[in-house]
Amino acid sequence: DGGITQSPKYLFRKEGQNVTLSCEQNLNHDAMYWYRQDPGQGLRLIYYSQIVNDFQKGDIAEGYSVSREKKESFPLTVTSAQKNPTAFYLCASQRATSTDTQYFGPGTRLTVL
Amino acid sequence: GESVGLHLPTLSVQEGDNSIINCAYSNSASDYFIWYKQESGKGPQFIIDIRSNMDKRQGQRVTVLLNKTVKHLSLQIAATQPGDSAVYFCAEEYSGTYKYIFGTGTRLKVLA
Repeated sequence: DGGITQSPKYLFRKEGQNVTLSCEQNLNHDAMYWYRQDPGQGLRLIYYSQIVNDFQKGDIAEGYSVSREKKESFPLTVTSAQKNPTAFYLCASQRATSTDTQYFGPGTRLTVL
Repeated sequence: GESVGLHLPTLSVQEGDNSIINCAYSNSASDYFIWYKQESGKGPQFIIDIRSNMDKRQGQRVTVLLNKTVKHLSLQIAATQPGDSAVYFCAEEYSGTYKYIFGTGTRLKVLA
């Protein structure tokens, strides 16, 4: 069963804690992305990676960090520096070529207690 | 579920009627466009795409129209069904950037 998986589905964080969201894909896609979704807003890009061991900041990277040690995996860490982390986080992937479809995972809902 | 569409524009359609959802995109240099469907609490699902060298593309029960002159994209859903109820949003890719710009979306409600 090919696709993108994200875990956990729901995550609760206390203020001051770092948390890591998992994203795994078995589509053999080179590019992977992390987005944040808030009610009434379009998806906003946090980080993206076009190749293993390389990644770039998106529009709202402050307070987040990523790694890309394996082609299949692109974990996102929400650090305590992110002041308003409660949101729905979406991971996506696409083949390396531009003008190609991005496919999304099921998302992780993060809530700060 | 995830309340991603609290303040979105809403289109209400009778079951069996056709739906038309519109999107204004931002960059005249964008050359690839996608429509996504998102149900509450789930990730966006690909519906149909179109490249800038086309004006129209048809899928199963869906058609996308692209008007580059006015930077407008529309999604037509034929014979709308209850399962079509969701938030629909468009995405544009700036040529060669690997980055997408996403619209805020429209909520489609199908009335029985």
